[in-house]
Formats: sequence, C-alpha cells, structure tokens
Amino acid sequence: EPEVTQTPSHQVTQMGQEVILRCVPISNHLYFYWYRQILGQKVEFLVSFYNNEISEKSEIFDDQFSVERPDGSNFTLKIRSTKLEHSAMYFCASSAFSGREETQYFGPGTRLLVL
Amino acid sequence: GENVEQHPSTLSVQEGDSAVIKCTYSDSASNYFPWYKQELGKRPQLIIDIRSNVGEKKDQRIAVTLNKTAKHFSLHITETQPEDSAVYFCAASKGGGFKTIFGAGTRLFVKA
Repeated sequence: EPEVTQTPSHQVTQMGQEVILRCVPISNHLYFYWYRQILGQKVEFLVSFYNNEISEKSEIFDDQFSVERPDGSNFTLKIRSTKLEHSAMYFCASSAFSGREETQYFGPGTRLLVL
Repeated sequence: GENVEQHPSTLSVQEGDSAVIKCTYSDSASNYFPWYKQELGKRPQLIIDIRSNVGEKKDQRIAVTLNKTAKHFSLHITETQPEDSAVYFCAASKGGGFKTIFGAGTRLFVKA
C-alpha cells in the first residue's frame, strides 16, 4: 500500500538556522498538507497546497515558513530562521480528493529540535 | 475562529467495556469529520470518518455519530481491547484542501 514518506526522521538545529523538511506524498494525490504537533499536544494545521499554490494557511504559518513542490514528487516545508518554539513533530499529509475522497494520509513525521 | 472541543481528555475503561468520546465544532460550514488514532511516537492513523450528509457510520467495533444541528459528533468503541489504548483525535474540515481543525485529544486506557 502506498505511503507518505518524510525525511529526515529527526533534525537537530541551532536557533537561527534554516531547515528544510521533505515529504513525498502518495503519487496520485492532489492535495498536500503540513501539520505540527508540539510534544503532548494536539495536531495543528499549518498549510494546504494544491495546483502549485497555497490553498489555505493558519496563523501559525507566518513569513518564517514557506512551502514548495520543487518537482513532481517532493513537497517541502522550509523554516527560514528557526526559533526555540519551532521545536515540534512536523507531519506531512496528502489526499486524493477526487470525487468524495478527502481522506488525509499522514507521513511518519520529522521531529525537529531547535537548540 | 474555528475550534473543535473534545471530551474527555482521559478515559479509562475495562477491557470489553465501551468507550465514548465526544466533540463539538464551531464552524457550521464543516462537512467532513475524521477520527484519528495516534500511538506514542507514531503518525495519526485514520480509523473512521463521516460526512455531513450522514448521521451515523459503523465499521466493526467502531461507530461515529453526527448531529449537524447541534454541531456534535461522537466516537463509540465497543468491546474495547488493550490494543485500543492510544490517543484519539477528532477533527473537522470543509473538505479537501481546506484546513483541518483537530480536537485536543483523548487518551484512552483499556485495562486488561
């Protein structure tokens, strides 16, 4: 069964550094998402992406964040200048949304630690 | 802004008993309500979902009910087993491509 994959699984970075989190969505999916989950807390929506542009974003997704689909398979989340509060698990998800298929499939996550 | 409230935050049941988790949502335009199970350190996994044109849906031991008028939806797990122990999240969205708002989660413990 196809799965969403994410790399790296863990990333440790110094405050102020740029990080890029990578995702490979399921191949025939059309919608892509990033979420974050601070340890022990709920899953929070960051951004959704369709047809090479942002569909919707939350107030968390400020100008420190950007997303890109650089080629036909990868979907990336960039944090320009990391802060301590960016430490969290970041999940990528994708959905087909053809007809009534809205199910989002989550990747295994990237645990980001900012020191 | 949009919000999803989830109760209880913790639920402990004996194996074989039923567990019920309740959620309310604020955005009346929401029309898709998934439920996710998350084990420690793992990704959220969809266990069941319901759309706004349906009042109830069952899948073996799991059922979900939706009351659109009251903006309530609930998860029912019957004949609970120790492997059902996990954190369960409800969520609400307006469909594909729109933001999905998650509840705060319910930590379910099933005691053998």
